[in-house]
Amino acid sequence: NAGVTQTPKFQVLKTGQSMTLQCAQDMNHNSMYWYRQDPGMGLRLIYYSASEGTTDKGEVPNGYNVSRLNKREFSLRLESAAPSQTSVYFCASSSGPYTEAFFGQGTRLTVV
Amino acid sequence: QKEVEQDPGPLSVPEGAIVSLNCTYSNSAFQYFMWYRQYSRKGPELLMYTYSSGNKEDGRFTAQVDKSSKYISLFIRDSQPSDSATYLCAMIYFNKFYFGSGTKLNVKP
Repeated sequence: NAGVTQTPKFQVLKTGQSMTLQCAQDMNHNSMYWYRQDPGMGLRLIYYSASEGTTDKGEVPNGYNVSRLNKREFSLRLESAAPSQTSVYFCASSSGPYTEAFFGQGTRLTVV
Repeated sequence: QKEVEQDPGPLSVPEGAIVSLNCTYSNSAFQYFMWYRQYSRKGPELLMYTYSSGNKEDGRFTAQVDKSSKYISLFIRDSQPSDSATYLCAMIYFNKFYFGSGTKLNVKP
């Protein structure tokens, strides 16, 4: 029962470097989400994918891109990392509208 | 005004106490409500999922929704040190989730 799996768990980047955060779910869920969590700010939605083939911006999309590779996988790309992107990133999935979300264990990213 | 407001705490209680965690929200269209528990350095895990007004009980946990007041609560009976975590309320509207910022709870042995 893997649920939602995120890789990597930890990453340190230099300013300007790029990287892709990977997320995969094995629950046959239609919707997938990327959030960032910062102290005092709660969970903020970066991008989401309501179904395979669709993606939409969330609250804080600037500096990020996403790809819904297939129904299982949803990746988040930082093209040119900035210190302001230092955060904990969570991927989540849900089966559809008005259903609960299940979260991965997070990726702790530091940009120096 | 934020869609969902939650007191960040921290809330510190002795073991065995009844804990009350609360959120208020502004959008009257919200009908689906959740509580998540997040341990330090872990992802949020779903505790309770409720629809519309009323109470839902699961073991030591009771979720309560008062739509007329736009107010939801999570009660924890006989609190344990293992309940020490951050609790986040959340609401769904179609495909989007709206989270509170979380209340940090510490249950002292």
